[in-house]
Amino acid sequence: EAQVTQNPRYLITVTGKKLTVTCSQNMNHEYMSWYRQDPGLGLRQIYYSMNVEVTDKGDVPEGYKVSRKEKRNFPLILESPSPNQTSLYFCASSFREGLRSPLHFGNGTRLTVT
Amino acid sequence: LAKTTQPISMDSYEGQEVNITCSHNNIATNDYITWYQQFPSQGPRFIIQGYKTKVTNEVASLFIPADRKSSTLSLPRVSLSDTAVYYCLVNGGATNKLIFGTGTLLAVQP
Repeated sequence: EAQVTQNPRYLITVTGKKLTVTCSQNMNHEYMSWYRQDPGLGLRQIYYSMNVEVTDKGDVPEGYKVSRKEKRNFPLILESPSPNQTSLYFCASSFREGLRSPLHFGNGTRLTVT
Repeated sequence: LAKTTQPISMDSYEGQEVNITCSHNNIATNDYITWYQQFPSQGPRFIIQGYKTKVTNEVASLFIPADRKSSTLSLPRVSLSDTAVYYCLVNGGATNKLIFGTGTLLAVQP
């Protein structure tokens, strides 16, 4: 089944403890991206990747890192999480960059930083 | 950078047609406008995509005027299962940053 898989679904951590949220897609998509969703603010893009070893900042990249060493994986790294990074995170992929093909989203990771 | 504006919420009854408009300025001149549907505890799901004029698929229609400063998602004969949040998505102009609207919560009542 074609899908985007995020792990974990739920994560509670403490301020400053490094964490990684994994994202994997099995559709051979070139484009992958991360979003955070907050009440009243909708979905905001954190980082995106047009292909392997190519990443770029989205609208709200501060406090996050990503890497794209393989086509299928695009992990989101929080080196030193803070409470304002408590949010619902979504990974997405698409065949081509930007809006030229539909985005396929994972089911989300709800992160709480205390 | 592009900005998008959508109504926060809309109410409807089963069987009615619903139109949700998204206003967007400074979008890329050569890129698509896309709409997504999101249910609670799920990621957004693609509904429809268009570049100009009108596009129709099995679930919705999308109307885009010539100036492309707005787009209207039209859902014919909604049912209770169409209760969800609907987002427009545009390209942020000179960059490849994707800009989602803040979303419209559509509540369909019997």
